[in-house]
Amino acid sequence: TQLLEQSPQFLSIQEGENLTVYCNSSSVFSSLQWYRQEPGEGPVLLVTVVTGGEVKKLKRLTFQFGDARKDSSLHITAAQPGDTGLYLCAGMEYGNKLVFGAGTILRVKS
Amino acid sequence: DTGVSQDPRHKITKRGQNVTFRCDPISEHNRLYWYRQTLGQGPEFLTYFQNEAQLEKSRLLSDRFSAERPKGSFSTLEIQRTEQGDSAMYLCASSLTTSNYGYTFGSGTRLTVV
Repeated sequence: TQLLEQSPQFLSIQEGENLTVYCNSSSVFSSLQWYRQEPGEGPVLLVTVVTGGEVKKLKRLTFQFGDARKDSSLHITAAQPGDTGLYLCAGMEYGNKLVFGAGTILRVKS
Repeated sequence: DTGVSQDPRHKITKRGQNVTFRCDPISEHNRLYWYRQTLGQGPEFLTYFQNEAQLEKSRLLSDRFSAERPKGSFSTLEIQRTEQGDSAMYLCASSLTTSNYGYTFGSGTRLTVV
């Protein structure tokens, strides 16, 4: 099974600040997905990136897939308290199943 | 469709007892997955089905764990002779075969073994 490493593990910032979360692997994935999870709930899909170099924007969130399809980043602009949660990246093994990183816990203080 | 449903939401059991969890996926989804998540970690793959066929089972899964999807609709995950190390959130997800559209997860079953 391929492994995904996320960094940082924990991030505590003030409302209005920007942040970037990284997801890295030595393996190639057919696609990469980002999920957000709140305590006591299942992960909720934010975005899927498929093509190397692809950039997708979702309001204040910008997702990028590395050219070699081994890494990805999530950038949040002007973070809000509502962005607080666990952010998970997950790589799709070819035609098979998702492999998750350990996650980044984000806390945005007002 | 109300999404992926899991039952129960919480289960407390004594060590050595058997427990069974149920998952009802989105009806149009032919794939169903079981994951386990412990505090501070990402979900860990357990097994998945395409229709009624179990296509892969994690090597980390001991023989105390068994999953079924008898009619290609709902699925059950049974843990026999539970141990304290089985305490975790058990997540079910479903998807279309073209999984680049992502998984839809249920809210999970929180298992506590005392």
